[in-house]
Amino acid sequence: AQSVTQLGSHVSVSEGALVLLRCNYSSSVPPYLFWYVQYPNQGLQLLLKYTSAATLVKGINGFEAEFKKSETSFHLTKPSAHMSDAAEYFCAVSDSMYSGDMRFGAGTRLTVKP
Amino acid sequence: KAGVTQTPRYLIKTRGQQVTLSCSPISGHRSVSWYQQTPGQGLQFLFEYFSETQRNKGNFPGRFSGRQFSNSRSEMNVSTLELGDSALYLCASSLGDHQETQYFGPGTRLLVL
Repeated sequence: AQSVTQLGSHVSVSEGALVLLRCNYSSSVPPYLFWYVQYPNQGLQLLLKYTSAATLVKGINGFEAEFKKSETSFHLTKPSAHMSDAAEYFCAVSDSMYSGDMRFGAGTRLTVKP
Repeated sequence: KAGVTQTPRYLIKTRGQQVTLSCSPISGHRSVSWYQQTPGQGLQFLFEYFSETQRNKGNFPGRFSGRQFSNSRSEMNVSTLELGDSALYLCASSLGDHQETQYFGPGTRLLVL
């Protein structure tokens, strides 16, 4: 089964700075990749997903991610961090044509300093 | 549309007991997946139901089971609870077709004493 590895369990940035959250996947075939965000005491909310239509995927709240097959990466970025971006972010992969079975990374907690 | 709802939101049980958690998907969604979230193991896939049939299953012992009803509502049951079953149990629903987005509920927080 495919898996994802998130580099960095904690990332801290200043408000207005670039956000970069790293995710690498293990796959020999193009996977389906996702980024989710989880706010305290809440479920997960989809930020964006890659399903091979385009390598640069734009999501909600100004986030985007680029699929790089040569690097087996799917890093999440946002040009300018906002205080409300503080949360836990999860990268996930599915090797099923259906979306019901996803494998999640360990998560990265993003802190935004004023 | 109403989102995914899970009941109860919080639950305290003792070792050896069993528990049933409920998930109501978004109207029209036929797929329901269950995940366990713990600080140590992170988010782990339990199983997925689609049209009342289990379509995918994660690597959990047989104490964890589920079912789905004709209205797509799903229940998850854990028998003979262990301390390690303390977790946030998340339910997600989707249309169930090719890579449709999953929408997550707020979760049920289970504490086993």
